[in-house]
Amino acid sequence: DTEVTQTPKHLVMGMTNKKSLKCEQHMGHRAMYWYKQKAKKPPELMFVYSYEKLSINESVPSRFSPECPNSSLLNLHLHALQPEDSALYLCASSQEVSGAYNEQFFGPGTRLTVL
Amino acid sequence: EDQVTQSPEALRLQEGESSSLNCSYTVSGLRGLFWYRQDPGKGPEFLFTLYSAGEEKEKERLKATLTKKESFLHITAPKPEDSATYLCAVLQGAQKLVFGQGTRLTINP
Repeated sequence: DTEVTQTPKHLVMGMTNKKSLKCEQHMGHRAMYWYKQKAKKPPELMFVYSYEKLSINESVPSRFSPECPNSSLLNLHLHALQPEDSALYLCASSQEVSGAYNEQFFGPGTRLTVL
Repeated sequence: EDQVTQSPEALRLQEGESSSLNCSYTVSGLRGLFWYRQDPGKGPEFLFTLYSAGEEKEKERLKATLTKKESFLHITAPKPEDSATYLCAVLQGAQKLVFGQGTRLTINP
């Protein structure tokens, strides 16, 4: 099973709303990732969790708040977003945190629209 | 700084017409070069990992090769269902993928 699941598939929110994106994997992977992808652009890394601890934050604004409750789950809490934050948000996981077997497997994404 | 450049930006082929996509990279110490396929509105689908020059990997109509400066994704006798954006990426450090801009491939029946 090489599946990463994400919910919801679509999300529309106002600039004053608080919402959360969820990601789940049951492959026993030790690293999990959040990426942001704008139309016709490649994915851009936002956060990395290794062994449930935040290991990389790519200078992401504080209105995005990641959380890793356990080794299978990853959340992205959203608050006071701007219209330019509208994008496809992708979750990924990899078996190892470094070295071999670090292929990242992506979920289907959450299409976020901020009004 | 690590860089990945893909060419062409877009490629349109007839069904059965073989071709190659290029991925040029500049990285200090290659820890892995990855190929992904992405359909519109969906997450990238992992295809291949290449680690060292001379390495080759195949999957159905796709074959990926690696030299010290570039990687090629060869598509043999493509079908319309091979239409997608193909992304190349290198690993920067232990965990950060640096992607190229992608090649949008269209296969006409």
